[in-house]
Amino acid sequence: AQSVTQLDSHVSVSEGTPVLLRCNYSSSYSPSLFWYVQHPNKGLQLLLKYTSAATLVKGINGFEAEFKKSETSFHLTKPSAHMSDAAEYFCVVSDRGGGFKTIFGAGTRLFVKA
Amino acid sequence: EAQVTQNPRYLITVTGKKLTVTCSQNMNHEYMSWYRQDPGLGLRQIYYSMNVEVTDKGDVPEGYKVSRKEKRNFPLILESPSPNQTSLYFCASSFSTSGFSYEQYFGPGTRLTVT
Repeated sequence: AQSVTQLDSHVSVSEGTPVLLRCNYSSSYSPSLFWYVQHPNKGLQLLLKYTSAATLVKGINGFEAEFKKSETSFHLTKPSAHMSDAAEYFCVVSDRGGGFKTIFGAGTRLFVKA
Repeated sequence: EAQVTQNPRYLITVTGKKLTVTCSQNMNHEYMSWYRQDPGLGLRQIYYSMNVEVTDKGDVPEGYKVSRKEKRNFPLILESPSPNQTSLYFCASSFSTSGFSYEQYFGPGTRLTVT
């Protein structure tokens, strides 16, 4: 069975400082992992995805994530936060065993202080 | 423009009055899915479809129906809506980029209120 745990419901950083959003997952098969972002009153946009190629995945807007199988983690990072990064972020897992079944984490809301 | 469209965007209805939320995609995607989003719970999958006439339950299918008669359309039907179905609903579609990496494209959302 699949599951996703986002370890922080809220994260607050100052502009220009690093961002770390934590995600742990469980999956019975080799998973596909994603991070999506949702800005206030907007739809969802794909930030990046892991699909069993390189373990360090680069996404849009300077975000990246590292797949660590031994730790079952897929944490999202960015070296320097920008005000426009303030949004809600979702870690998502799907795997072949689940067909197209997709599990979202509960979300992490990122606040960026000036 | 490649997109997923949903209609209506906003809907207020009363308990028990059947309604349909439409979803259409123009990307020739095989996979389509419906989610509901509730505060603190993220998005939860209601139903998904891997192709025409092929649908399956997600995590929260109770009270919902779907059909997939055409590849581009995947309507969500609430036969007898109840207040606990008040939520923000998203439709998504997807192709498989490398076997099973289902990168999804989301519609703009439908905010449903059931009184």
